[in-house]
Amino acid sequence: QKEVEQDPGPLSVPEGAIVSLNCTYSNSAFQYFMWYRQYSRKGPELLMYTYSSGNKEDGRFTAQVDKSSKYISLFIRDSQPSDSATYLCAMSVDGQNFVFGPGTRLSVLP
Amino acid sequence: ETGVTQTPRHLVMGMTNKKSLKCEQHLGHNAMYWYKQSAKKPLELMFVYNFKEQTENNSVPSRFSPECPNSSHLFLHLHTLQPEDSALYLCASSLDGDRQETQYFGPGTRLLVL
Repeated sequence: QKEVEQDPGPLSVPEGAIVSLNCTYSNSAFQYFMWYRQYSRKGPELLMYTYSSGNKEDGRFTAQVDKSSKYISLFIRDSQPSDSATYLCAMSVDGQNFVFGPGTRLSVLP
Repeated sequence: ETGVTQTPRHLVMGMTNKKSLKCEQHLGHNAMYWYKQSAKKPLELMFVYNFKEQTENNSVPSRFSPECPNSSHLFLHLHTLQPEDSALYLCASSLDGDRQETQYFGPGTRLLVL
């Protein structure tokens, strides 16, 4: 089993849709959880960061952590074409070295 | 200039060449990282430097040699690479590697090994 898995695979949605991006993990010691957005030919940029369980909201983005299920989610409301990118989840035990998921490519169609 | 910068942005090299990738951060951070991003694979951590000292080497082949002369600069020296080393190499920095901090990424160097 991979340490961090991302689901679903390549995703296309219409503009305005609610998008749900998810990651599962196997290491119960992870405490720090992050979501990165990576546009084509660019480095990843930090979107959201959460510590331990719970929800965090920032504008149209909501990050959710369920440590009991070893499952994290990123929700995007009112999705825009500019949200089209690859979304990477990352998690860490100590907050320094992060393990990244393989990424989910999202296309928001106008 | 602010943030994390990387040069060159693109590099093509033969297997017998020697080249170096450069990363510079203007954020006053003390920890710097090298990552490798291959197509359709998770981001792989290669090296970690904390206050100029290498604190992690994730079983990276010796044909990759990092150098951190000061907290603002990080190099990755490349020699006798293989075609499978072709990837996007990302540099990142964080404030203090001993505590939880977010990492800020550079734009990456896209490397092609022929």
